[in-house]
Formats: sequence, C-alpha cells, structure tokens
Amino acid sequence: NAGVTQTPKFRILKIGQSMTLQCTQDMNHNYMYWYRQDPGMGLKLIYYSVGAGITDKGEVPNGYNVSRSTTEDFPLRLELAAPSQTSVYFCASSYLPRRAGIQETQYFGPGTRLLVL
Amino acid sequence: AQTVTQSQPEMSVQEAETVTLSCTYDTSENNYYLFWYKQPPSRQMILVIRQEAYKQQNATENRFSVNFQKAAKSFSLKISDSQLGDTAMYFCAFMKGGGGADGLTFGKGTHLIIQP
Repeated sequence: NAGVTQTPKFRILKIGQSMTLQCTQDMNHNYMYWYRQDPGMGLKLIYYSVGAGITDKGEVPNGYNVSRSTTEDFPLRLELAAPSQTSVYFCASSYLPRRAGIQETQYFGPGTRLLVL
Repeated sequence: AQTVTQSQPEMSVQEAETVTLSCTYDTSENNYYLFWYKQPPSRQMILVIRQEAYKQQNATENRFSVNFQKAAKSFSLKISDSQLGDTAMYFCAFMKGGGGADGLTFGKGTHLIIQP
C-alpha cells in the first residue's frame, strides 16, 4: 500500500491563478480530510468528506473547493490564489468501522507546499 | 469548540535523557480521543501515540508514554531514552468521538531538539 499520496510536492502560483491539489489513498478509507499548516502553527481543517459525493466545510474553508467522486480521490481546488493561501497542505484519511463510537486514526500524506506570489 | 494548548514552543535535552512535553485542552465533550503526532524536517505527520478518553489506563508505545489526566484536561507525552531521531516538531491533537467525521484540532506544537 502506498497509503496517502499527494501531488505536487511544491508549487509556486501567481496571485489570481488557480490550481488543484491532488490526494489519493489506497486503503479503502471512507473519511478524507484537507488541512493547511501555516508557519509555526498546527494544522487547521479546510474540508472533509465522509464518502463519495459527500463533503463538508471545516474551520477554514474560504477560498477552497473540494469534490469526492470516488472513494480514493479527494482533490482540493484553489480558484483565485491569494498570498494568504501560502501554506503547506496535508491530506489525511481514516476508516470508520461499522461499530459506532470507534474512531480510527487519521493517516497523513507527505504534504504539498504552496507559495503564492 | 475545542482548543489545544502546548505551552512549550521549544525544548532541548541531551541524548538518552527523558523529556516530557505538555499539552492541555479544553472541551465540553465526554467522548473524545487525544493524539501526539511527530513532524520531522521532512514534514511528514507521523502518529506517535493515541489515547481514548474512556480508558483510564495511560497509553504506551515503546519509549513513548502519556500521562492522561482527564479531570485536569492534561495530556503530556514522555519520551524515555531520547534518541537523535526524536528531534522533530511534536503536535498534540484532539478529536471528538461519537462516530462523526470531525477533524483533528491541533496545538501549535513543541520543537524538540535532542543534543548528542
């Protein structure tokens, strides 16, 4: 298993450009998440998905969009890049068993470093 | 909403020493999970240890153990026989239980440096 993979590893964008950060997991996890990590800070949740076709906002969703057409893929879209979106972006996934009340650990991808100039 | 506080921005110890990283959290939830993640210079987020709030016994993973004080809302990480490879950022994180898809709430992190 490759686990959670993210592409690209690093990208420079000009203000106003758009791009899609890719995230794929091969663990058949139903839950997937996008976080951003600003310098000197912990991670903050942008969006999450509980399964194909279902997404919801996290703590800092403004300026981003997501879609989940398959179990494996959860891309993050930046429409009009702004300097405030300079950050490191992490995708994560987890599996919620059918047993209620048990929450599995989130596994993280290697991150995408984005610089908006 | 939950908050997680790590009051030690940076710590430095000698190799083979024992070090304790502090974490406190604030929540009105009764069912939740706590985690410590390690982030080396590669930036990969690596799970170190997890604790279920309903378990009274403190979690241990080899050289890593926690001191979970539910009433005090404290969740410290102890690293025994520290090694050079333990040098990294360490993040404390909280997650609500109950089967929802809530994400993790992270502290700001502690930069741990192990000196040779």
